[in-house]
Amino acid sequence: DTEVTQTPKHLVMGMTNKKSLKCEQHMGHRAMYWYKQKAKKPPELMFVYSYEKLSINESVPSRFSPECPNSSLLNLHLHALQPEDSALYLCASSQDSGGAVDTQYFGPGTRLTVL
Amino acid sequence: GQSLEQPSEVTAVEGAIVQINCTYQTSGFYGLSWYQQHDGGAPTFLSYNALDGLEETGRFSSFLSRSDSYGYLLLQELQMKDSASYFCAVSWDSNYQLIWGAGTKLIIKP
Repeated sequence: DTEVTQTPKHLVMGMTNKKSLKCEQHMGHRAMYWYKQKAKKPPELMFVYSYEKLSINESVPSRFSPECPNSSLLNLHLHALQPEDSALYLCASSQDSGGAVDTQYFGPGTRLTVL
Repeated sequence: GQSLEQPSEVTAVEGAIVQINCTYQTSGFYGLSWYQQHDGGAPTFLSYNALDGLEETGRFSSFLSRSDSYGYLLLQELQMKDSASYFCAVSWDSNYQLIWGAGTKLIIKP
């Protein structure tokens, strides 16, 4: 099973709303990622969790708040977003085998529109 | 700076062979990955090259020359479903961070 699932598939929110994106994987991977992707652009790394600890934060604004409740779940909490935050938000996971380069497997994404 | 270059768009005919090139300039290098992304979909892993040479997976092959900082993705017996964007990505520093090319849109004509 090489599946990463994400919910919801689509989300429309106002600038004053609070919402959360969810990601789940059952491949036993210990690294999980959040990416943001704008149309016709490559994915941009936002956060990396390794063994449930935040490992990388690519200077993401505080209106995005990640959370890793356990090794299978990853959330992205959204608050006071701006219209320019509208994008496809992708979750990915990898084995985190330490010292080797691991393939990242992506979920289907959440299409976010901020009004 | 760190950069990857790949053509923005490639057009080919169904049943033909197409090659998508990727050159890179990075401060470190562990390997080169290729991802496919259909419109509205998520990136799907295709291949990974850490060493020089050709890796074959069905209709898709990927090549790497570390001395030339160059790789390519070769797609054979093109099918309409291969119409997608293809990204090359370098693993350069840690186990986690990828440097992505801008993507190549592959258009396939009947």
